[in-house]
Amino acid sequence: QQQVKQSPQSLIVQKGGISIINCAYENTAFDYFPWYQQFPGKGPALLIAIRPDVSEKKEGRFTISFNKSAKQFSLHIMDSQPGDSATYFCAASTGNQGGKLIFGQGTELSVKP
Amino acid sequence: DGGITQSPKYLFRKEGQNVTLSCEQNLNHDAMYWYRQDPGQGLRLIYYSQIVNDFQKGDIAEGYSVSREKKESFPLTVTSAQKNPTAFYLCASTLGGTARNTQYFGPGTRLTVL
Repeated sequence: QQQVKQSPQSLIVQKGGISIINCAYENTAFDYFPWYQQFPGKGPALLIAIRPDVSEKKEGRFTISFNKSAKQFSLHIMDSQPGDSATYFCAASTGNQGGKLIFGQGTELSVKP
Repeated sequence: DGGITQSPKYLFRKEGQNVTLSCEQNLNHDAMYWYRQDPGQGLRLIYYSQIVNDFQKGDIAEGYSVSREKKESFPLTVTSAQKNPTAFYLCASTLGGTARNTQYFGPGTRLTVL
């Protein structure tokens, strides 16, 4: 019940296209859903995050869509660029577990020029 | 520069040896975390600490130990009891110890068992 399942494992998108990464969870106590971006050999960095009281959050070319009833959330990258090529992790947490994040398995995104 | 530093960047261990990975932060963050990253498995929590002199086991604590004697330091020891220690280890910290505050990650240490 603590798992977060992420798909696809890898994704290839043409420059200018839309990249979509999906995550699903079981624990209805999760109340915070961040996405992290990781470049090779580096630590992850927070990209965007959402709470379940909203269905969508947009920051520049990055949008999180959240479906509480389906227990799913997704990251959309509009106008994908080669510089977006990285590994993306979704995560989830509850507010009462000392800041513990449960991460998905990761998606390796490659944007072709 | 404020941030999290991890050392060394690469570490090689022989079978049966204990090794210690360093993590230091100057962000004045309360909580610190250690994760292990393996290909295709995401990040898994090893240990975390919300305050000095206190820490809790994460999901995969067996074969690891930590200490939190200072707010800015959270070293991880990989003991000989950890049967498959080859992995990328990431340290993170956050202000206030709640998940709603951003976790900032260090650059990682890649540990290889020879």
